[in-house]
Amino acid sequence: DAKTTQPTSMDCAEGRAANLPCNHSTISGNEYVYWYRQIHSQGPQYIIHGLKNNETNEMASLIITEDRKSSTLILPHATLRDTAVYYCIVRVAGSGGSNYKLTFGKGTLLTVNP
Amino acid sequence: DTAVSQTPKYLVTQMGNDKSIKCEQNLGHDTMYWYKQDSKKFLKIMFSYNNKELIINETVPNRFSPKSPDKAHLNLHINSLELGDSAVYFCASSHWTSEYNEQFFGPGTRLTVL
Repeated sequence: DAKTTQPTSMDCAEGRAANLPCNHSTISGNEYVYWYRQIHSQGPQYIIHGLKNNETNEMASLIITEDRKSSTLILPHATLRDTAVYYCIVRVAGSGGSNYKLTFGKGTLLTVNP
Repeated sequence: DTAVSQTPKYLVTQMGNDKSIKCEQNLGHDTMYWYKQDSKKFLKIMFSYNNKELIINETVPNRFSPKSPDKAHLNLHINSLELGDSAVYFCASSHWTSEYNEQFFGPGTRLTVL
């Protein structure tokens, strides 16, 4: 799986948009970009994923650059409960043994301040 | 509640003991995983089972033995516990055939070996 690079930490004011960047310059054509987050003392939680197009769901938006070498996770109105470590992961989708392995990096600690 | 559950939540034991952690999911998934998160917060996959069959086995000491009695359960047995086994262990589950293989994580079991 392609390696990802994320800032170690970021701050965001409550109610403002949080934009979390991720570089994945060695991503392959068949690899998706996934975002998970881990709130303190909890298990990781799936947020969103995408291949080429921008994606939006009830939690966040994912913007992927045209060359697919980087992406940004957007939390449109961050709340204090969004304080967590956010992981950007690239992985081949589809069935098959190691395709199902999530390789977590260090992630970005997002702190939402009141 | 539909979820991935783990027992116990906390486990404190002496070096050399044998212990088990249980995991159950009622999401109807057919693939389950064990991840280990060490003191430096790195989250790494250990094992994965699909329909009770082992499909991922990372470089884990053979003191760790997963057991899947059915698709809804994946237990982790650890023999001869060592200090370095202290960590938080997360169970997860997903569908095998899902394009994006969203993984749902349990709340974790904090193992402390004294």
